[in-house]
Amino acid sequence: AQSVTQLGSHVSVSEGALVLLRCNYSSSVPPYLFWYVQYPNQGLQLLLKYTSAATLVKGINGFEAEFKKSETSFHLTKPSAHMSDAAEYFCAVSERAGGTSYGKLTFGQGTILTVHP
Amino acid sequence: NAGVTQTPKFRILKIGQSMTLQCTQDMNHNYMYWYRQDPGMGLKLIYYSVGAGITDKGEVPNGYNVSRSTTEDFPLRLELAAPSQTSVYFCASSYSPLLAGSTDTQYFGPGTRLTVL
Repeated sequence: AQSVTQLGSHVSVSEGALVLLRCNYSSSVPPYLFWYVQYPNQGLQLLLKYTSAATLVKGINGFEAEFKKSETSFHLTKPSAHMSDAAEYFCAVSERAGGTSYGKLTFGQGTILTVHP
Repeated sequence: NAGVTQTPKFRILKIGQSMTLQCTQDMNHNYMYWYRQDPGMGLKLIYYSVGAGITDKGEVPNGYNVSRSTTEDFPLRLELAAPSQTSVYFCASSYSPLLAGSTDTQYFGPGTRLTVL
C-alpha cells in the first residue's frame, strides 16, 4: 500500500524567500513521485516527477525536488518565491504503470502556498 | 490536442437525482481515472479503467458507476445523488503503450464542481 503525508496544510512566505513544501511517502516498491500544482478553480498541472533516474528533479517555474530514499522524502523547493506561485500543491506517489497498480496515484492532503509582498 | 475535457463545469442536483459527468481525452491514453477532491483531503480515486471495456473500483466507489465503451470516453454516473457527493470531480488519463518513453504522468481535466442539495 502507498501513502503520502504532506507536512503543513498552509505555508506562507514572503516574495523572494525560499519555498519549501514537505512530502514524505510510503511505498512497498520503488515509487514514482510527483508534484502537481492547482491554481484556483483549475485542474491539476504537473510540476515535476521522479521516475528513478536523477534524484534531483527540476520542474517548471523554477521548482525542484530531491528524492531521498533513506528519509522517504520528496520535498519541493524554489529558491525565490513569486506572487504567481500562490496555489495549492499536491505530492503524489504511484507504482509503475504496466504493473498491477495501473499507475494509480495516491495523493497527499495538499499544501496551500501563500506568497505575500 | 485538447487533452482531457470534462462537462459540465458546474452542476447543482437535488437529493435523489441522477446525472452523468462526461470525460473525453484525445491523447490515445489507455488508462483513465476519476477522482473527487474535498477540502483538506487531497484527491481520492473513485474508479479507473485500463482500456475499453475494463473498469475497476478505486478507494471511494460507493454511489458511483462507470463505463468505458471507447478509448476516448470515460463517463461517471451518479444514480441517487446524496449531499455527501458534493465535491469537485476530476478526470485524468495516462499511459499510452504505443508512445515511446511514456510514463505514469497523469493529465487532468479542468474539473466538474457538483453540489447536491
